[in-house]
Amino acid sequence: DTAVSQTPKYLVTQMGNDKSIKCEQNLGHDTMYWYKQDSKKFLKIMFSYNNKELIINETVPNRFSPKSPDKAHLNLHINSLELGDSAVYFCASSHQREPKNIQYFGAGTRLSVL
Amino acid sequence: GNSVTQMEGPVTLSEEAFLTINCTYTATGYPSLFWYVQYPGEGLQLLLKATKADDKGSNKGFEATYRKETTSFHLEKGSVQVSDSAVYFCALRDSNSGYALNFGKGTSLLVTP
Repeated sequence: DTAVSQTPKYLVTQMGNDKSIKCEQNLGHDTMYWYKQDSKKFLKIMFSYNNKELIINETVPNRFSPKSPDKAHLNLHINSLELGDSAVYFCASSHQREPKNIQYFGAGTRLSVL
Repeated sequence: GNSVTQMEGPVTLSEEAFLTINCTYTATGYPSLFWYVQYPGEGLQLLLKATKADDKGSNKGFEATYRKETTSFHLEKGSVQVSDSAVYFCALRDSNSGYALNFGKGTSLLVTP
């Protein structure tokens, strides 16, 4: 069974559209994350979320919003897509506390905005 | 703020060569340190971790030691294989961002037969 799964794997869309990427984890973790990997492979945190707190990286535009229907899911909604949003987006999950706080990553969603 | 600096790639080695990828960090306190590996077209996998000074993480022949005095966590392997070709990321666990990982820029490794 896949521990952290994201859908879709590839997403091609036009500028100005609104899209969502889904993430589910079956590890019983209490914290989930979204990371963005740019064309130079640089990875940066976008959001960190558990059932108590959402922490947003201040550089993330408010067109991006995480939505968590339950502890096992953290979806990423993106409004008014721009060319610069093209990247690979990774979902991850972990326990919040040591020593079980190893993060497990999904396989990524490659978003291409045309 | 907290940050991670790792050596620029790409690194190209012949099979069975010795590998070192340098990683240094800047942080308040003593964060947990990690090496993750990303194989082509895949997500990230944890390679090894260390949670306190002088801890040595090891896995699949790779090792890294948490050096507080030099704020370093260099990755080493004595004899690389073609299957080790991947991008390697050094990271620290950042209490300033909800305990997310703060990554270095990644080092691409290509091992040739």
